Amino acid sequence: GAVVSQHPSRVICKSGTSVKIECRSLDFQATTMFWYRQFPKQSLMLMATSNEGSKATYEQGVEKDKFLINHASLTLSTLTVTSAHPEDSSFYICSAIKTGDTGELFFGEGSRLTVL
Amino acid sequence: AQSVAQPEDQVNVAEGNPLTVKCTYSVSGNPYLFWYVQYPNRGLQFLLKYITGDNLVKGSYGFEAEFNKSQTSFHLKKPSALVSDSALYFCAVRDMGGSYIPTFGRGTSLIVHP
Repeated sequence: GAVVSQHPSRVICKSGTSVKIECRSLDFQATTMFWYRQFPKQSLMLMATSNEGSKATYEQGVEKDKFLINHASLTLSTLTVTSAHPEDSSFYICSAIKTGDTGELFFGEGSRLTVL
Repeated sequence: AQSVAQPEDQVNVAEGNPLTVKCTYSVSGNPYLFWYVQYPNRGLQFLLKYITGDNLVKGSYGFEAEFNKSQTSFHLKKPSALVSDSALYFCAVRDMGGSYIPTFGRGTSLIVHP
C-alpha cells in the first residue's frame, strides 16, 4: 500500500493567527499532491494541486495568498492557512499520487481546523 | 472533460441484504474509475479501481464494482451488508488520455440498519 500522513489531525486557533498543516507520503515519492476542503456532509472541494519544486495550481475561487502551499520535497507538502477566520473552519484533506502509478489517490487522515 | 454522478445522497439497507451504490461517468476517452470510502472525521480510503480488463472488479472489505461501458456506469456492490459498512462513499473518474486529476462525485451516504 501507500501511506499518507497528515498532521495535525485537529487544531484550534484564534482568529488572525496562521496554521500549518503537513502532508507526508511515508513510503513512496509523490511529485503531485492535492489539497481538498470538505464541508459537513458535503463532497470534496479541490483547492489546489501541489507539484514538487514548483508553484501550486489553485482552483478558481481559492485565495492563494490565504492558503499558502509549499511542496519542497517529493514526500512533503504543507498548507498554511494565513490570518485564519472562523469561516476558514473546515476539514482539510491532502492526497497524493504515486509517481508512475495509474492514478488512484492516497489520502491523509484529514485535519479539522476550528478558528475561534 | 470528465464528470461523475452519484444520483443518490443516501442509501439505506438492512444488514445482511445486498447493497448497491450507483455511479455514472462521462469522459472523452477511456476511463480510470475508482471507489473510496470515508468514515466520520477520517480521510478517504481506497476501495477499488477499474483500469482495464475484467469488468467486475473486486476490492477491499468484500466490495466489488462492475464497469459497464454501454451504460457508462460503475456501481459499487456488496452481497451482504454489514452495519460497519455505514459510511460515505465516493466515486471518482479520470480520463485515461486527459487530466491526471480525478473528478469526484458528491458522495453517497450508506446507512446499514441492524
